[in-house]
This record gives sequence, C-alpha cells and structure tokens, in this order.
Amino acid sequence: NAGVMQNPRHLVRRRGQEARLRCSPMKGHSHVYWYRQLPEEGLKFMVYLQKENIIDESGMPKERFSAEFPKEGPSILRIQQVVRGDSAAYFCASSLRSANTGELFFGEGSRLTVL
Amino acid sequence: AQKVTQAQTEISVVEKEDVTLDCVYETRDTTYYLFWYKQPPSGELVFLIRRNSFDEQNEISGRYSWNFQKSTSSFNFTITASQVVDSAVYFCALSEAYSGNTPLVFGKGTRLSVIA
Repeated sequence: NAGVMQNPRHLVRRRGQEARLRCSPMKGHSHVYWYRQLPEEGLKFMVYLQKENIIDESGMPKERFSAEFPKEGPSILRIQQVVRGDSAAYFCASSLRSANTGELFFGEGSRLTVL
Repeated sequence: AQKVTQAQTEISVVEKEDVTLDCVYETRDTTYYLFWYKQPPSGELVFLIRRNSFDEQNEISGRYSWNFQKSTSSFNFTITASQVVDSAVYFCALSEAYSGNTPLVFGKGTRLSVIA
C-alpha cells in the first residue's frame, strides 16, 4: 500500500498522559499536513511541515502540541498532558509539491480518546 | 480569508432519489481549487473531485455530477439515483493558489443518509 500511513488507528489515553501520532507520507512526498476533526465537525488545519522544517503552524494550539518531520522516519504529532477536549480524529495528508495546489492525499486518521 | 459553507447539516433521502449537496465558498484569489471528499462510516477521507477556478465546465462521473458556478461562488454536488452505500459525510473544500500556505479549508460537512 503506497498511500499515506497513519498509526495508531485508535489510541486511548488518560488525562495527563502523552499521545504520539505517526504519519508516513506517500513515497516521494516531502510535504506533510496535520488536520484535526472534532466530533461532528469538519477538518481543521493544524500544521504544515516539510522535511525538518515547520512551514505553517498557525492552526496548532500554542501549548502541549508539537509536530516534527525528521529527515528520516515518519512525521510525529505529539500531544502532551492530554485533556478530554483533545479527543478527536487526527488526519495526516501528504503532497508531492508545495501547498496551494491542493493535491493532498489523506491517511485513514488516528482516533484519540482521552478518558 | 477563505471560507467554505455547507448549509445542509444533514439530509435523508430514500434510495433511488436524487440529492444535491450545496457548497458555497469565499475567496479573494482569482486562482483557487475546489474539492469534494467523502467520509464513510469507516472514517477515512475519500477524494472525489478537484476543480480549478478556470474550469467552469460541469463534470459527470457515473452517478455523481458537479455544478461549478463562479457567479454564485457555488460548487454543488449531485448524486443521481442514490444508494445506501452513498451514506456518508461529504466535505467541500477550498484551496487558494497564492494566499499563504494553508492547503485546504474544509466546510463542516453534510451528513447524507440514504434509506433503503
């Protein structure tokens, strides 16, 4: 499967724990985007990364959330000290070219539940 | 700033009926892209169509058709002879070509239920 791979598909955490979500982009894609979907809501942009660089993090909460896309390995979205409001589906997308052409390919999402 | 409005939160139709999902967008750019995605109950996002702002020709793909009208800033999606498998949440999205790096802005989605 050459698509965008996200894991885990489902993650359960207790309040205060850390959540790490991984995203492997499509082969050859160096642009990665993270979106969050709250229950019964549309997708909200969080962050856009290129290899080793954060290009746009305007949609990411200032505290507890961080993202990286290292030279080797998957992109990681990290949520520290999770709260119930972090419960959502987190989607990763990748593209071959830079943003604004809209050629995004989405993964199947990681569903975080905070107890 | 770019914005996508899907006024219909939920729609229910009986199988074999036609249904149109509305999408209205706002943008200051003259070059932009419009998309529709399907999210079935399993949760993944399925790409349906991408249309650029210079191509107003309507498109038909099987039972699906799209009506793009720049004059009304709308990009509506019609399913003909709906089937139960069409039940899903459908998202319209917009990407501006030159205004910043945010690749896609989504509407809140329309939940379509097709009843047998």
